[in-house]
Amino acid sequence: EAGVTQFPSHSVIEKGQTVTLRCDPISGHDNLYWYRRVMGKEIKFLLHFVKESKQDESGMPNNRFLAERTGGTYSTLKVQPAELEDSGVYFCASSFRGETSGARTQYFGPGTRLTVL
Amino acid sequence: AQRVTQPEKLLSVFKGAPVELKCNYSYSGSPELFWYVQYSRQRLQLLLRHISRESIKGFTADLNKGETSFHLKKPFAQEEDSAMYYCALSGNDYKLSFGAGTTVTVRA
Repeated sequence: EAGVTQFPSHSVIEKGQTVTLRCDPISGHDNLYWYRRVMGKEIKFLLHFVKESKQDESGMPNNRFLAERTGGTYSTLKVQPAELEDSGVYFCASSFRGETSGARTQYFGPGTRLTVL
Repeated sequence: AQRVTQPEKLLSVFKGAPVELKCNYSYSGSPELFWYVQYSRQRLQLLLRHISRESIKGFTADLNKGETSFHLKKPFAQEEDSAMYYCALSGNDYKLSFGAGTTVTVRA
């Protein structure tokens, strides 16, 4: 079974440009999460999709960040315009839906390292 | 609010020595606790979760609700255990809150 995939693995852009990150969750996983780790800081939650609906976007830093999950499959995270402080590693994770404890086990992608110059 | 604290940023042990990574949490309800590990150039992967009460790669972790701790232990460290370890908590909203992580180096 393929794991969570993310594209690109690295992205280097200039301040003010736009970048779109993509995440493909494990097939059949309704829950999709985005997290971010900025240099020297902890991994922080950004948002949570259940299928195509945003369940929780309390971690999104500001309105320069836009996440979508059309059709409930893959998700994109767009940063527009990018700022220096957006640099970091963006992780995607997925889990299957349900009320069992297994639904809380999240499987992570390799991450996208974003560098804003 | 939910919070996870890993007091040690770095931990260096000799091969064959015991290793213990500390994790304390704060959460008002009944959380689920996890340990994730990231080996060099690999993705973050689940090591173990408290509800499974299992030993993975020789590691164990017991949830102590009285002390709000979930320390990770291994009696005999191996060189391949060198990695970054994250303690994480999931509450009713399912999102994970991570500790700052502990980098473990096992020396020959």
